[in-house]
Amino acid sequence: AQTVTQSQPEMSVQEAETVTLSCTYDTSESDYYLFWYKQPPSRQMILVIRQEAYKQQNATENRFSVNFQKAAKSFSLKISDSQLGDAAMYFCAYRSYSTSGTYKYIFGTGTRLKVLA
Amino acid sequence: ETGVTQTPRHLVMGMTNKKSLKCEQHLGHNAMYWYKQSAKKPLELMFVYNFKEQTENNSVPSRFSPECPNSSHLFLHLHTLQPEDSALYLCASSPPRVGGEQYFGPGTRLTVT
Repeated sequence: AQTVTQSQPEMSVQEAETVTLSCTYDTSESDYYLFWYKQPPSRQMILVIRQEAYKQQNATENRFSVNFQKAAKSFSLKISDSQLGDAAMYFCAYRSYSTSGTYKYIFGTGTRLKVLA
Repeated sequence: ETGVTQTPRHLVMGMTNKKSLKCEQHLGHNAMYWYKQSAKKPLELMFVYNFKEQTENNSVPSRFSPECPNSSHLFLHLHTLQPEDSALYLCASSPPRVGGEQYFGPGTRLTVT
């Protein structure tokens, strides 16, 4: 079974600085997707960035980028030029294909990011 | 807003009550999910529906009963819950296309007294 581990329960970053959130996962599959989701306080969880496992190039979305190391099964999120609005819980998620015809998403425990003014 | 709505947003119920949570999406997604989110624990997948058919039940106690009358609506019927069932219940949907991510609702904060 697949597992997702986020070893940092909480991180802090100074406004305008860069922070990296860690995520490792375990799987025997070769083709899968990885996601980072953001859950602001009392607000809906939204997608930050996704990575396809068969693509070697790391995904980027504006100030957000990932460092995807397939062999090491590592998928970290880098946030550049941190803003106060980046403060949230960040969840790493792995998606596998279920034989029932739908996808299963496995989430880590989350990292709470605090942005200091 | 992600296009997935949930009602009610907050619910307090006694252990002998019966209540229902509702989730709605008009994004054309085929799959809908119920998750339980408790503090310091990973999101726990409860149920998955694909085109109204239940495809996953992660050993959820029978006091939680899902219902999916069509691809746009998902319910979670609650009956004789326990205090440890207090949590944030999230609904999500996803499209059938490869690479499609999940879209989450705002959740229902449930407190069982």
